Amino acid sequence: GAVVSQHPSRVICKSGTSVKIECRSLDFQATTMFWYRQFPKQSLMLMATSNEGSKATYEQGVEKDKFLINHASLTLSTLTVTSAHPEDSSFYICSARSSYSYNEQFFGPGTRLTVL
Amino acid sequence: AQSVTQLGSHVSVSEGALVLLRCNYSSSVPPYLFWYVQYPNQGLQLLLKYTSAATLVKGINGFEAEFKKSETSFHLTKPSAHMSDAAEYFCAGQGAQKLVFGQGTRLTINP
Repeated sequence: GAVVSQHPSRVICKSGTSVKIECRSLDFQATTMFWYRQFPKQSLMLMATSNEGSKATYEQGVEKDKFLINHASLTLSTLTVTSAHPEDSSFYICSARSSYSYNEQFFGPGTRLTVL
Repeated sequence: AQSVTQLGSHVSVSEGALVLLRCNYSSSVPPYLFWYVQYPNQGLQLLLKYTSAATLVKGINGFEAEFKKSETSFHLTKPSAHMSDAAEYFCAGQGAQKLVFGQGTRLTINP
């Protein structure tokens, strides 16, 4: 149980284009989802927290107009990197938390974004 | 501020030797602590978690961790390292609304 998927697993795009990453909870309802960014050989950096049906809460220094987050249902959250640039290249990981497991997050497998 | 500190960004042990990965948390972090493992280009997999029950927590793949409040520590151990244990390990504490991660420790296993 408690499986989280991400799609795509890898994406390569040209500078200036937008990329959408999906995060799905497969066997539970995720009242809260989190989006992280991880640079090579570094820890995870929380970008934003999203609760189903409400606006995401962004961490300090994260541009909300750059990284659009939508959490329209209890099983799906999307992260859209708008007008991507090479410096946006990174590993993006989502996690999900249910109302029954408040103190535990379940992580997706990650999405490797490369912007040319 | 809440913080989790992992001592040692890189630990190298021989196959069959004891694995010890260190983690200390700030006293302001609530006592919900986690160890995760990450293999290259993959997400995080939960090894074990402490949720105010038994102080010695057993996890998957033979790992265990002991919560020591007096030392504000939650070190991860495994009696005998296996080649498949080579990975990045993260200690994390549950803050008010979010997980606080340590910097990570890369574990290398020497044959």
